[in-house]
Amino acid sequence: EDQVTQSPEALRLQEGESSSLNCSYTVSGLRGLFWYRQDPGKGPEFLFTLYSAGEEKEKERLKATLTKKESFLHITAPKPEDSATYLCAVSVTTDSWGKLQFGAGTQVVVTP
Amino acid sequence: NAGVMQNPRHLVRRRGQEARLRCSPMKGHSHVYWYRQLPEEGLKFMVYLQKENIIDESGMPKERFSAEFPKEGPSILRIQQVVRGDSAAYFCASSTTGANVLTFGAGSRLTVL
Repeated sequence: EDQVTQSPEALRLQEGESSSLNCSYTVSGLRGLFWYRQDPGKGPEFLFTLYSAGEEKEKERLKATLTKKESFLHITAPKPEDSATYLCAVSVTTDSWGKLQFGAGTQVVVTP
Repeated sequence: NAGVMQNPRHLVRRRGQEARLRCSPMKGHSHVYWYRQLPEEGLKFMVYLQKENIIDESGMPKERFSAEFPKEGPSILRIQQVVRGDSAAYFCASSTTGANVLTFGAGSRLTVL
């Protein structure tokens, strides 16, 4: 059975304190791995798509990497506005990119 | 571009009533997905629709739940005879053909008393 597991469940950081979030996956055939950000009371917002092991993508203070078994989301020198729940999801079906399997998320709080 | 519009944002129903959740996809998007987020759980895929067609409903509970995306108007997720376990946030997402990125709405939060 396909599984997506995110750790830690929650992370509290001081402003400027860099850290990494983990997403491990066990799937039959990975088409793509996605990172989304979700703020309270809102829908997920797309961050990155990774397709193959060794791939990396960056956006401002965020950097996502992918291996054959897991993905990391690195947050460098976070600011309070980076506080959110970060969701990892995988697409395994060849029929639709939109049928995603999500992990439970990592809730990140960045304090000034 | 108004993005993906969902309404109502909050809905309260008593057990046994019906809930109807509406989703208007982004302009130009013809693919609609519904996801459910239960308290303390991740988002779970429910159904994938294109205009007038259900493409994949493998995540839909077999009873009481139905979805449609008519030729004109929004997509609708309908839950009949709601029970307390249906209390959740229901998210709609849309995409264009061939796109691998979903745009999510803000969600509809259903509370069943």
